[in-house]
Amino acid sequence: KAGVTQTPRYLIKTRGQQVTLSCSPISGHRSVSWYQQTPGQGLQFLFEYFSETQRNKGNFPGRFSGRQFSNSRSEMNVSTLELGDSALYLCASSEPEVYGYTFGSGTRLTVV
Amino acid sequence: AQSVTQLGSHVSVSEGALVLLRCNYSSSVPPYLFWYVQYPNQGLQLLLKYTTGATLVKGINGFEAEFKKSETSFHLTKPSAHMSDAAEYFCAVTRNQGGKLIFGQGTELSVKP
Repeated sequence: KAGVTQTPRYLIKTRGQQVTLSCSPISGHRSVSWYQQTPGQGLQFLFEYFSETQRNKGNFPGRFSGRQFSNSRSEMNVSTLELGDSALYLCASSEPEVYGYTFGSGTRLTVV
Repeated sequence: AQSVTQLGSHVSVSEGALVLLRCNYSSSVPPYLFWYVQYPNQGLQLLLKYTTGATLVKGINGFEAEFKKSETSFHLTKPSAHMSDAAEYFCAVTRNQGGKLIFGQGTELSVKP
C-alpha cells in the first residue's frame, strides 16, 4: 500500500497570503486528521474528517479550515497567513475500526 | 481534559545501553496509548500502541512499552540502544477511535558511540 502522501513538501508564503495543503490518505482509510508541529507548541490537533464530515476540531482560529472529498483526500487551508503559522503540518489517516494513525511526511510551511 | 507528560526533553545513552523514555498520562477514562518516532524532516512513525489486552506491548525495532494503569504510565524501553535509534519520540493518548491524539512534548534521544 502506498503511504500517506502530502503535497507540497515545502512551501514559502508571504504574510497575508493564503495557502492550501493537500493530503492523500492510504487507500481504504476514511479518517484524515491534521496536526501542526512547532518547536514551541509541539504537536497540536487541528481537525479530523471522516466520510467528508468534520468530526473533531482543535483550538485554532477560523483562519484554519479543511475539507475532505468523496475519495477521502483532504485539504487544509490557512487564510491571512501570519508569521506564527510557520510550522510542519502533518496529515494522518486511519482505517475504520483501528486505533492510531499513519502519518505523512508533512508539509513544511514558512511564512515570511 | 487529557494530558501527556514526557519526563526529560533530552535523553542520552551509550550504544548498547538500555533506553528508557518515560510517559505519564492523565485521563478520566481508560485511554489508548501510542509511541511514535520522528526522524529529522520526516513525519511520525508508529512504534507501538496499547488499546486493550496484554499490558506489555511489543513494537518495531525492538521497542516495547508497558501500560501500568495504577501508575498512569506507559514508558518505552529498548534493551540495547543502536545509533539508528537517535530521533525524537512522542507519547500520545486518545480516548476513542477517531478521537484526536494528544501528544507529549517529545523526548529527543541521543545515542553515543
